[in-house]
Amino acid sequence: QKEVEQDPGPLSVPEGAIVSLNCTYSNSAFQYFMWYRQYSRKGPELLMYTYSSGNKEDGRFTAQVDKSSKYISLFIRDSQPSDSATYLCAMMISGNTGKLIFGQGTTLQVKP
Amino acid sequence: GAGVSQTPSNKVTEKGKYVELRCDPISGHTALYWYRQSLGQGPEFLIYFQGTGAADDSGLPNDRFFAVRPEGSVSTLKIQRTERGDSAVYLCASSLLLAGGYNEQFFGPGTRLTVL
Repeated sequence: QKEVEQDPGPLSVPEGAIVSLNCTYSNSAFQYFMWYRQYSRKGPELLMYTYSSGNKEDGRFTAQVDKSSKYISLFIRDSQPSDSATYLCAMMISGNTGKLIFGQGTTLQVKP
Repeated sequence: GAGVSQTPSNKVTEKGKYVELRCDPISGHTALYWYRQSLGQGPEFLIYFQGTGAADDSGLPNDRFFAVRPEGSVSTLKIQRTERGDSAVYLCASSLLLAGGYNEQFFGPGTRLTVL
């Protein structure tokens, strides 16, 4: 079993829809939870990070972490065609050192 | 630009050959990471440098893989006796090393390695 599980999709939604992306994990030592966006043939770019449990909002994006359930989510409101990409969840034990553990990535397509 | 750069962007080689992949991190970033991303998968950690030394090389799959960072800036990932299974995108990332908080890892565009 992988440390981080993520449904690869693909997920296809109409423009303006609310998108929900999720990951589960098994290592209770994870403290930092990230969402990256990766366009085709590009490197991942950080969207948001959250420390420990709770919610964080940034514009149309909201990240949620539930450590008791070992479950994290990313919500995208008013989705746009430009949001079409692969979304990767990632986790780390310590924020200032060490490796990221990534999920498989979910491919999202937002249709105009 | 001031981002992480990687060269070459694409590398095609034959099975059994030796390859070197280069990473130029963001200036001033002490930490440097290598990841490998296979098709349809998320990146997998290979090795992490703090300055010139490898702080964690637990992700290197076997002794055919080796990485160096002799002056604490540019890093080279070296793969000997390449195998078809080594075909993947090799990503490099760099970050600051500020204590007591989160240090974002900035990724380069990757080197796409194809072993024929």
